[in-house]
Amino acid sequence: DSGVTQTPKHLITATGQRVTLRCSPRSGDLSVYWYQQSLDQGLQFLIQYYNGEERAKGNILERFSAQQFPDLHSELNLSSLELGDSALYFCASSVVAGIYNEQFFGPGTRLTVL
Amino acid sequence: SQQGEEDPQALSIQEGENATMNCSYKTSINNLQWYRQNSGRGLVHLILIRSNEREKHSGRLRVTLDTSKKSSSLLITASRAADTASYFCATDGWDFGNEKLTFGTGTRLTIIP
Repeated sequence: DSGVTQTPKHLITATGQRVTLRCSPRSGDLSVYWYQQSLDQGLQFLIQYYNGEERAKGNILERFSAQQFPDLHSELNLSSLELGDSALYFCASSVVAGIYNEQFFGPGTRLTVL
Repeated sequence: SQQGEEDPQALSIQEGENATMNCSYKTSINNLQWYRQNSGRGLVHLILIRSNEREKHSGRLRVTLDTSKKSSSLLITASRAADTASYFCATDGWDFGNEKLTFGTGTRLTIIP
């Protein structure tokens, strides 16, 4: 158990819908990262927040957005969903802002878009 | 684009044998990390090696780094059934002004009891 929690575990929805994935980092960790893992794209970095502020952006689509709240939990919002958005979405956390340290991954949310 | 590429894509060995996985990357790095992922679950950090290090050990794991060849290897000695998982290397780097960790495509390791 990494100490990072993600909800829900599974999500099944239809194309065009909007969903919110939630992540609670390990106690004391200020950085939260979001990743998407799919069979064809592998594990892709989406976005990072540090202490409430966006710090780095990766291959995140404009239909996707995220935020980190004062209690440090984070939400990833996916809208106008397409079949290709079906994937495992991971949240990870670390103590510091930089990427030069280990990240602790949550169990993931499996999103299925029908 | 993927920074790291693992080789082989899949590897099956008998329990007790050693497993070696390789990772190649394209641009200069500060650190390289290895992670393990059990099927459909979150990644678990195994080891981090800095660019000025050539070899690092952690239990049954041995990691080497050759920055001149832009490659790293992960050796798991005396493999166990519980080592069955996918293994990813991850390299740090900059992309359009953003600092990020880029994961390779992974090696799927199967340990046969």
